[in-house]
Amino acid sequence: GAGVSQSPSNKVTEKGKDVELRCDPISGHTALYWYRQSLGQGLEFLIYFQGNSAPDKSGLPSDRFSAERTGGSVSTLTIQRTQQEDSAVYLCASSPYFSKHYEQYFGPGTRLTVT
Amino acid sequence: QKEVEQDPGPLSVPEGAIVSLNCTYSNSAFQYFMWYRQYSRKGPELLMYTYSSGNKEDGRFTAQVDKSSKYISLFIRDSQPSDSATYLCATQTSGSRLTFGEGTQLTVNP
Repeated sequence: GAGVSQSPSNKVTEKGKDVELRCDPISGHTALYWYRQSLGQGLEFLIYFQGNSAPDKSGLPSDRFSAERTGGSVSTLTIQRTQQEDSAVYLCASSPYFSKHYEQYFGPGTRLTVT
Repeated sequence: QKEVEQDPGPLSVPEGAIVSLNCTYSNSAFQYFMWYRQYSRKGPELLMYTYSSGNKEDGRFTAQVDKSSKYISLFIRDSQPSDSATYLCATQTSGSRLTFGEGTQLTVNP
């Protein structure tokens, strides 16, 4: 079946602009996660959705970052007033069971470059 | 101190070698341990997970957890060029949060 999809695959933006990154989880997966992967930093947890609510948003690095999920499916990560340090690969993952966070399926990521 | 430490490598081995990849973690309360494989320009793919201590085997892959020393290992037998990737260890640190190691870049040379 179809895996997690993300769009766009690449995004180049100017410093100060807002960007929206989209994630389509595997159909029927209730849990959805956003991560950021920077060179030399590994994967950094950003936010977790259970259905449409976000019980854990503790990884969002600043109030410029926000995310929402609608219909228990698609999620959008928004970065306002982008900075150069926001350049990274943003990965989305979904899980079929909200109680099994260890079983996550990742999308290919969106590579964000802020110039 | 990072919650999960992993030697980034790179690690280069000949085809057919046994590969040992390792991580250490800081909190004895961690219970779930995962290994993900990530090919270049792709998202991580779950290879295996283990709960608490012990070994788990899946084909050529064996995951091992030693909670007494807070040590996680992944062994790859009869390594193949197609195993060339970055391997990430992870633990479930709290609630929904997974914490990943930095990843070890592995190259298997034909």
